Amino acid sequence: GDSVTQMEGPVTLSEEAFLTINCTYTATGYPSLFWYVQYPGEGLQLLLKATKADDKGSNKGFEATYRKETTSFHLEKGSVQVSDSAVYFCALSDQGGAQKLVFGQGTRLTINP
Amino acid sequence: NAGVMQNPRHLVRRRGQEARLRCSPMKGHSHVYWYRQLPEEGLKFMVYLQKENIIDESGMPKERFSAEFPKEGPSILRIQQVVRGDSAAYFCASLPSGGPDTQYFGPGTRLTVL
Repeated sequence: GDSVTQMEGPVTLSEEAFLTINCTYTATGYPSLFWYVQYPGEGLQLLLKATKADDKGSNKGFEATYRKETTSFHLEKGSVQVSDSAVYFCALSDQGGAQKLVFGQGTRLTINP
Repeated sequence: NAGVMQNPRHLVRRRGQEARLRCSPMKGHSHVYWYRQLPEEGLKFMVYLQKENIIDESGMPKERFSAEFPKEGPSILRIQQVVRGDSAAYFCASLPSGGPDTQYFGPGTRLTVL
């Protein structure tokens, strides 16, 4: 079945550092890809998405490009802030009709001032 | 436009009791998904419902768990005879009919079984 593998955490960086969180997927067909963010004690918020190969999703300084050839959707940000501390989930949307989301295990990110 | 609402936010039950979790989707959304998040893990799909219909329940445990989305009112996830292993965060997400495939999540219900 479909699956998503994320870079294991936790990840700790200093403020203004460059961030990469790796995400690769296995799927039949051409799923849509998502990054969700979860702040402590809260639900998931959509961060960005891409629906087809070579699409780039971007939001709040974060970017990810849908790479079909490497089945990847790595999350990047050029200069992180303390407020970016959260858990980040990569996910794909099942294309089998139900459009259920398949999530990676999550990467906990901590940014130190 | 209010977001997805879930209640209660926190629920404590003793082993053997029943837990009822409620989800009100965003206005105009007719598709509801339930996911479970065990501690330090990602979310796992449980069930997908449209009004009065269960479309996909492939992620639901075969026993003790049930879900409904009536014509009127919120979607309900019901767990009978809870056990400690049911302790988790349960998230609901909604999607508009025929719309883009972005699911909007509620804040979750954190169930603790003593």
